[in-house]
Amino acid sequence: SQQGEEDPQALSIQEGENATMNCSYKTSINNLQWYRQNSGRGLVHLILIRSNEREKHSGRLRVTLDTSKKSSSLLITASRAADTASYFCATDLMYSGGGADGLTFGKGTHLIIQP
Amino acid sequence: GAVVSQHPSWVICKSGTSVKIECRSLDFQATTMFWYRQFPKQSLMLMATSNEGSKATYEQGVEKDKFLINHASLTLSTLTVTSAHPEDSSFYICSAWRVTSGPNYEQYFGPGTRLTVT
Repeated sequence: SQQGEEDPQALSIQEGENATMNCSYKTSINNLQWYRQNSGRGLVHLILIRSNEREKHSGRLRVTLDTSKKSSSLLITASRAADTASYFCATDLMYSGGGADGLTFGKGTHLIIQP
Repeated sequence: GAVVSQHPSWVICKSGTSVKIECRSLDFQATTMFWYRQFPKQSLMLMATSNEGSKATYEQGVEKDKFLINHASLTLSTLTVTSAHPEDSSFYICSAWRVTSGPNYEQYFGPGTRLTVT
């Protein structure tokens, strides 16, 4: 099963409001990333937070990571209609011995910003 | 930033035929690429890890004889869907892994290929 679980599955808010999405995962990770995907399109990388970081900002985005609770949140402040999209968290697992690891994606939150 | 391309961006094929999808890293070399599949209104699922010069590693439940992966060069991985069926209709996305500095790395995603099997 997928490691990441987002909630809510869908969120509809008014333009200008803040949107918060949460993600939980099951095992120890190296990094957690958030991606945006517009309908039928590719992924847009938003932000990466490493396992030794607790909070990170990028423009209107704020991501937190709580490794003790195995959870992360994505906050989008002052939302805009263009923020309407699906948002996914993705984790890569801690591993030893080198080598790359594919990402495990959460189920995603579909965000709708009402103008 | 690093760029990963996919070709074609969309394809329609008849049931029983095979389709090849290419994934290229345009400005960096990628020893490892990944293939993901996304069904409508669902999340991405890792299908396989493609390693240059060696056999691909498939995730549980992914048929290796149906989804043939070839990573013959450091900038190209191909995914061939053999004997495609309507249930293979999906959005296929690749990513390429690049070491940035020290132990750090980043994955760069291609724009995806939408496959429709009729």
